[in-house]
Amino acid sequence: DAGITQSPRHKVTETGTPVTLRCHQTENHRYMYWYRQDPGHGLRLIHYSYGVKDTDKGEVSDGYSVSRSKTEDFLLTLESATSSQTSVYFCAISESSSDSYEQYFGPGTRLTVT
Amino acid sequence: AQSVTQLDSHVSVSEGTPVLLRCNYSSSYSPSLFWYVQHPNKGLQLLLKYTSAATLVKGINGFEAEFKKSETSFHLTKPSAHMSDAAEYFCVVSPNGFQKLVFGTGTRLLVSP
Repeated sequence: DAGITQSPRHKVTETGTPVTLRCHQTENHRYMYWYRQDPGHGLRLIHYSYGVKDTDKGEVSDGYSVSRSKTEDFLLTLESATSSQTSVYFCAISESSSDSYEQYFGPGTRLTVT
Repeated sequence: AQSVTQLDSHVSVSEGTPVLLRCNYSSSYSPSLFWYVQHPNKGLQLLLKYTSAATLVKGINGFEAEFKKSETSFHLTKPSAHMSDAAEYFCVVSPNGFQKLVFGTGTRLLVSP
């Protein structure tokens, strides 16, 4: 298994509170991604990073921000959580030298916003 | 735009019978294609990938998939289902030379004794 950990694994929070999810990798891969998984939607890309301090938006980025100050850590922040952000969040990594861009996934964080 | 359509949201098979999970893709480029599996309350695991080499791709746990450009399909098969194959399967496309992945909505495989 790729060395990817996510913390926390489960979180319950109230509407309007800030939340930060952490993804940590030990593979030294260049690319890191945050997805959310919702029934009937598969996985949808929130934000991704192509290097330290280099990030870009995915298809569902509204209400989320990210930061990457070190190669190994990629943080996802919900500035003011809403009930529509209740979801399972997955971090993924990939290596730029790969010819097929496969991604490797962390175990996920289940977030509930009440 | 690139997209993936998984033709069945649920597939039910008996243990020991063949498995067929269907996937059609749309891509303006020569794509890379993947199948991932997700067991309950787990992350996603790469089953196999196609990267313009052999059109028949073998993956882990006895799964394989065939890339058919004329049909824009990448169906996943296994000759004999096992109870441990019960999971959700995602077909995924990556346009050539591009890091972003586009996921299908998933097919849940149910395996009965």
